[in-house]
Amino acid sequence: GQNIDQPTEMTATEGAIVQINCTYQTSGFNGLFWYQQHAGEAPTFLSYNVLDGLEEKGRFSSFLSRSKGYSYLLLKELQMKDSASYLCAVKDSNYQLIWGAGTKLIIKP
Amino acid sequence: IAGITQAPTSQILAAGRRMTLRCTQDMRHNAMYWYRQDLGLGLRLIHYSNTAGTTGKGEVPDGYSVSRANTDDFPLTLASAVPSQTSVYFCASSDSVASGMDEQFFGPGTRLTVL
Repeated sequence: GQNIDQPTEMTATEGAIVQINCTYQTSGFNGLFWYQQHAGEAPTFLSYNVLDGLEEKGRFSSFLSRSKGYSYLLLKELQMKDSASYLCAVKDSNYQLIWGAGTKLIIKP
Repeated sequence: IAGITQAPTSQILAAGRRMTLRCTQDMRHNAMYWYRQDLGLGLRLIHYSNTAGTTGKGEVPDGYSVSRANTDDFPLTLASAVPSQTSVYFCASSDSVASGMDEQFFGPGTRLTVL
């Protein structure tokens, strides 16, 4: 079966750095996405990785290792507005997105 | 309209009733999707459409039907609602299916409660 695993909840301090991990087992691989979802709102796109390595976009970076079936999202200089759920999703061989359950990130002052 | 709209925003429905959730996009995207999101579970695909005139079944299609008469609209119908269909429903669209990097854009969601 297809499976995406990520921690249920994480807590971090404002101004700090946090890394959210995602491991996956899917039928085929056509890229990995990270989305942000604030409570009561729709998911919004953060990043896309298809090749191994690090993609940096401002305070957010995303890393992929295809051989290990592993990705992480790195958030730097945390702000209170970063309190949200972070969803990992993999596009499988049929180009359908398989979603993890999401990681709820709590930022404390 | 800017992006994707969904209606209604929320609905309380008696079990056994028929209900259609509406979704409209103005980005001329080819592909559209319906997901449900339940606490502790990832987004689960109900139905999808790769292009106008075609539809396909996702992971959890039972009890739901869709149609795609044109590019912009993708309604989801619950023929006879049951309490297990209580969920938040998201409609999404993307420019192309067979392109790995195409991101999906999401509507604001419909919160449905079936009693």
